[in-house]
Amino acid sequence: AQSVTQPDIHITVSEGASLELRCNYSYGATPYLFWYVQSPGQGLQLLLKYFSGDTLVQGIKGFEAEFKRSQSSFNLRKPSVHWSDAAEYFCAVGSFGNEKLTFGTGTRLTIIP
Amino acid sequence: NAGVTQTPKFQVLKTGQSMTLQCAQDMNHEYMSWYRQDPGMGLRLIHYSVGAGITDQGEVPNGYNVSRSTTEDFPLRLLSAAPSQTSVYFCASTERRFETQYFGPGTRLLVL
Repeated sequence: AQSVTQPDIHITVSEGASLELRCNYSYGATPYLFWYVQSPGQGLQLLLKYFSGDTLVQGIKGFEAEFKRSQSSFNLRKPSVHWSDAAEYFCAVGSFGNEKLTFGTGTRLTIIP
Repeated sequence: NAGVTQTPKFQVLKTGQSMTLQCAQDMNHEYMSWYRQDPGMGLRLIHYSVGAGITDQGEVPNGYNVSRSTTEDFPLRLLSAAPSQTSVYFCASTERRFETQYFGPGTRLLVL
């Protein structure tokens, strides 16, 4: 069965600093990978997704993620965070032939001045 | 387009009561899903549908029923509410499998 691990429950970063949120997945074949963001009291919004091809994918709001098959990882990065990036971030995995999308438990990002 | 809409936004139930959470989308998406979100557990899939008349169970289906009589609507029914069903419920839709999922604003449910 597919699974997703987000090892960091909460991360605090200074405004303007770089950010990396970790995501590890478990699945035998090539996965479909996603990062979603949830602002307080809101639904989820897609940041970026990886299906195939270039392993470095660009998303909205200046985010990017890199698929590393050897490490079963799909970490989310941003070179310089803004106060508006404070939110909860979810990694998710799907797989060919499986209709279900599995979400990680989320990482809450706090931005300090 | 309104996107994905959910009603109600907030509901309080007593144990044993039943209710229906409404979800509608106006994007003509075939795929629709219901998730529940609990602290520290992320989003867990309750039920999903790949088209009108077709539904299937997700990770945590017990205590919930769904039906999909039209492309637009995907209601979630709680048959006999339990405190363990206190959660935030999100409906989502997507045009094709693993394309971008569009989420509704959520329904916060409290079962006493």
